[in-house]
Amino acid sequence: DTEVTQTPKHLVMGMTNKKSLKCEQHMGHRAMYWYKQKAKKPPELMFVYSYEKLSINESVPSRFSPECPNSSLLNLHLHALQPEDSALYLCASSQDGRDRNTFGSGTRLTVV
Amino acid sequence: GEDVEQSLFLSVREGDSSVINCTYTDSSSTYLYWYKQEPGAGLQLLTYIFSNMDMKQDQRLTVLLNKKDKHLSLRIADTQTGDSAIYFCAESPYPYSSASKIIFGSGTRLSIRP
Repeated sequence: DTEVTQTPKHLVMGMTNKKSLKCEQHMGHRAMYWYKQKAKKPPELMFVYSYEKLSINESVPSRFSPECPNSSLLNLHLHALQPEDSALYLCASSQDGRDRNTFGSGTRLTVV
Repeated sequence: GEDVEQSLFLSVREGDSSVINCTYTDSSSTYLYWYKQEPGAGLQLLTYIFSNMDMKQDQRLTVLLNKKDKHLSLRIADTQTGDSAIYFCAESPYPYSSASKIIFGSGTRLSIRP
């Protein structure tokens, strides 16, 4: 298995909803990442987990809450989002920080 | 600070070679990457090069690295319509940490004309 799987592929949520994005990999990678990508822009790093511990938080608002239950799973919990949070959310993993990132196909989130 | 720059657009004729250029600022980078993103999709790693290499070839793709000028290029030979996408240059500026951030360029939109 050489893939990063993200679910759901599309999500529409209201500003008062709570939802979660899920990411899974079975490559034995020990670093996992969340990126946010707005249209026609490069991905922006949000969070990095290394060995299931949060190692980088790029000053992301608290309405985004990451969770790494085990070495294969990464979640992003969403609460009280704003319309400007609408974007493609990409998960990635790597063997370690020096190795190339493998990206999932993303969750396209629309906040209404 | 870290910065990666690319031109925004490139148009080439089908069958010609495409050359996408990138400049970066962090001389400590150990990995330099080229990612491809098709419309509505995630990022696909095309190729990467270690900073101690000058060139890497993989089928139709050739990566050239000029460390002195901090210039990276991606050449796609015999460009096909399926190569239409956005190409992101990226670097890993922190080689020894357990998990590092990747710095992406703004992306070059490659369009193919018949």
